Amino acid sequence: AQSVTQLGSHVSVSEGALVLLRCNYSSSVPPYLFWYVQYPNQGLQLLLKYTSAATLVKGINGFEAEFKKSETSFHLTKPSAHMSDAAEYFCAVSSIAGGTSYGKLTFGQGTILTVHP
Amino acid sequence: NAGVTQTPKFQVLKTGQSMTLQCAQDMNHEYMSWYRQDPGMGLRLIHYSVGAGITDQGEVPNGYNVSRSTTEDFPLRLLSAAPSQTSVYFCASSSKASAVGTQYFGPGTRLLVL
Repeated sequence: AQSVTQLGSHVSVSEGALVLLRCNYSSSVPPYLFWYVQYPNQGLQLLLKYTSAATLVKGINGFEAEFKKSETSFHLTKPSAHMSDAAEYFCAVSSIAGGTSYGKLTFGQGTILTVHP
Repeated sequence: NAGVTQTPKFQVLKTGQSMTLQCAQDMNHEYMSWYRQDPGMGLRLIHYSVGAGITDQGEVPNGYNVSRSTTEDFPLRLLSAAPSQTSVYFCASSSKASAVGTQYFGPGTRLLVL
């Protein structure tokens, strides 16, 4: 079984401030982890993914996330928030243990990021 | 490439009506999935398919039906709509060749059941 918990349904930051969105996971197999972003009235766009190659993963738009096995966490960060970062962010875990099997994605509840001028 | 496309973008139904949400992808992906998104609950898997002619249930399959006759298309059928099915529906696809299984999402269909 696998699950994802995103701490904080809403996060508000000032423009230029650090962005930190928290994600903790539970998985019975070594996980693949993802962050997706959803802008208003749009579909989900892949931000970054952890595939066991490196624990610090860099994504698009200046975001990065660090996989910490001991803490079962995959928090998303960005050093300096921009107004265009305002969106809803979803952390997800895949059940794929490795190989080419279909991996069911389990999503967290989502975190809405608001950026103030 | 159009990627994953969904129609309609928005639909209003009355309780008891049936309808089909369309999903198509042009990336030749083997795997396709349907999710529903509800506030505070993230996305939940309804049904998925690992190839033409093969489908399986996800986390919340009740009230929905799927079939996959071609690699490109994966329609979702609501047999008798209920207000509890008011939601935003997303279709996604992924490649069997990807060991990670990154899923690519369509723009969504907003469904309101009165």
